[in-house]
Amino acid sequence: KQEVTQIPAALSVPEGENLVLNCSFTDSAIYNLQWFRQDPGKGLTSLLLIQSSQREQTSGRLNASLDKSSGRSTLYIAASQPGDSATYLCAVRPGGYNKLIFGAGTRLAVHP
Amino acid sequence: GAVVSQHPSRVICKSGTSVKIECRSLDFQATTMFWYRQFPKQSLMLMATSNEGSKATYEQGVEKDKFLINHASLTLSTLTVTSAHPEDSSFYICSAGGFGGGDYEQYFGPGTRLTVT
Repeated sequence: KQEVTQIPAALSVPEGENLVLNCSFTDSAIYNLQWFRQDPGKGLTSLLLIQSSQREQTSGRLNASLDKSSGRSTLYIAASQPGDSATYLCAVRPGGYNKLIFGAGTRLAVHP
Repeated sequence: GAVVSQHPSRVICKSGTSVKIECRSLDFQATTMFWYRQFPKQSLMLMATSNEGSKATYEQGVEKDKFLINHASLTLSTLTVTSAHPEDSSFYICSAGGFGGGDYEQYFGPGTRLTVT
């Protein structure tokens, strides 16, 4: 059974710091991995999607890497800003399925 | 990206009543829709997968007679919480599967906050 774990569960940093959020999964047979952002009481915003054949994806200050063989992904946030404060969720799509399996998320607070 | 709406965004109901939540894909046809629930400070848990015109597939532990899912068209799925109880209070999020940007992705709605009193 696929399980997704995110570390740390919560993180509080001063503005300007570079951050690394971690995601691990138990079954390497995935189709893709996706990082989402969720603001309190809101839905999900897709940040980056990495196909199983890819090593990384970048969008602005965000960079996500994928090491499928070791079951790990990292989300790198450069020069963090207070507006980055949110919960970041990692989700994997198992091979052969359309559904997503989510981690518990990392709650990020960036203070001025 | 593709847009998914949910209605209502918030609903308060009394224990024992039923509540219907709608999920619509606004600019693409979704052959598959997914329903998740989320408890405070916890992650999303998949409840069921619905395909247009067929019965939903429920995840283990989800009561199909309590959470009725209908996917009558390629743009609309509904979740009905029957005989709601306080423990059903949660944040319900739907997603629609489609090829909005090239590869297959799930596009998420904004969620519905259900409070059962």
